[in-house]
Amino acid sequence: EAGVAQSPRYKIIEKRQSVAFWCNPISGHATLYWYQQILGQGPKLLIQFQNNGVVDDSQLPKDRFSAERLKGVDSTLKIQPAKLEDSAVYLCASRSFRLAANNEQFFGPGTRLTVL
Amino acid sequence: AQSVTQPDIHITVSEGASLELRCNYSYGATPYLFWYVQSPGQGLQLLLKYFSGDTLVQGIKGFEAEFKRSQSSFNLRKPSVHWSDAAEYFCAVVPNSGGYQKVTFGTGTKLQVIP
Repeated sequence: EAGVAQSPRYKIIEKRQSVAFWCNPISGHATLYWYQQILGQGPKLLIQFQNNGVVDDSQLPKDRFSAERLKGVDSTLKIQPAKLEDSAVYLCASRSFRLAANNEQFFGPGTRLTVL
Repeated sequence: AQSVTQPDIHITVSEGASLELRCNYSYGATPYLFWYVQSPGQGLQLLLKYFSGDTLVQGIKGFEAEFKRSQSSFNLRKPSVHWSDAAEYFCAVVPNSGGYQKVTFGTGTKLQVIP
């Protein structure tokens, strides 16, 4: 079974530029998460999708961050414009709806963003 | 407010020595509890989880964790550490209250293993 795929793995941009990250969850996983992990901290949930609907985006800075999950499969996370404090690793995770009770999430390798 | 605390930011142990990583939580009721490991440049991998029942949980890679309700703790242990265990370890909790269940991660403990 293929894992969660993310691209790109690394991205360096200047502040005020735009950037987009892509995530392909494990096949059949209805729930998809985006996390922001700043150096030295634990992952912080940005947004959670159930199929193509948003379950929780309370910690997403909506003035600059946006995310979508068209057709309930792949997802993109966009930052526009980026700030220095957005430098972090962005992790995507997915979870099977069928196994929702055990709450196990499967994580992708992450995208390391550096904003200069 | 619910919270997860990992009091040790960084721990160094010798290869072959035992290991204990601490995790404390603050919730109204016993939540679901998890330990994840993150190797450099990698995503998080689930080591073990506790939902109910036996308070000593066995996980992958020789790790185990013990849930102690009286101490609101879920400490991770390994009897003999290998150099490949050097990584960052995260404790995570999910409310066991039905409805929407949001995962909260601790700040992590970075493990260094010396020969």
